[in-house]
Amino acid sequence: NAGVTQTPKFRILKIGQSMTLQCAQDMNHNYMYWYRQDPGMGLKLIYYSVGAGITDKGEVPNGYNVSRSTTEDFPLRLELAAPSQTSVYFCASSPRVGNTEAFFGQGTRLTVV
Amino acid sequence: LAKTTQPISMDSYEGQEVNITCSHNNIATNDYITWYQQFPSQGPRFIIQGYKTKVTNEVASLFIPADRKSSTLSLPRVSLSDTAVYYCLVGGPNNAGNMLTFGGGTRLMVKP
Repeated sequence: NAGVTQTPKFRILKIGQSMTLQCAQDMNHNYMYWYRQDPGMGLKLIYYSVGAGITDKGEVPNGYNVSRSTTEDFPLRLELAAPSQTSVYFCASSPRVGNTEAFFGQGTRLTVV
Repeated sequence: LAKTTQPISMDSYEGQEVNITCSHNNIATNDYITWYQQFPSQGPRFIIQGYKTKVTNEVASLFIPADRKSSTLSLPRVSLSDTAVYYCLVGGPNNAGNMLTFGGGTRLMVKP
């Protein structure tokens, strides 16, 4: 089973460039999340979605945008990349909302130079 | 969401039992306690969830006292491959206001 798939695995961006981090899940989960994790730190929630067409901000949404046109896909868009966005990004999905079992992708390591 | 407090790091040796305690003094009546494990360069992985007393699965045990203000994740006979960061999360399982939020976790280092 594929579970949660993130692409790309690694990316280097120049300051001011834009990119989209892709996330797809094949478990038919309504709930999806984007996190960032800085070195040695815990995960910070960027955006989440409770179903197709519905998204909301998490703890650290500034500099990011999301969309959810289908149940399977939840892309994260970075506009005008900044060095502060250098981080590892994780996408996750869950069958229920709240404190429940969530399934994470392998992450995208992004460096902004 | 209930705030949680865990030790920043712990060291252990292969074959030992490891107990990681999480404090959550303001846990709500409908909150569950969930533990995740994160290996280096990987996303977190769900380990175990419980509400009260004791829960055991093939990976770990979770002990929750009657007042539920703390919980202990127990890893029996750890090996080098158990070196990871362990996160304690507390919240309601079906509450739309309870998005999954992670604290700093406990960094467990297992030595030979």
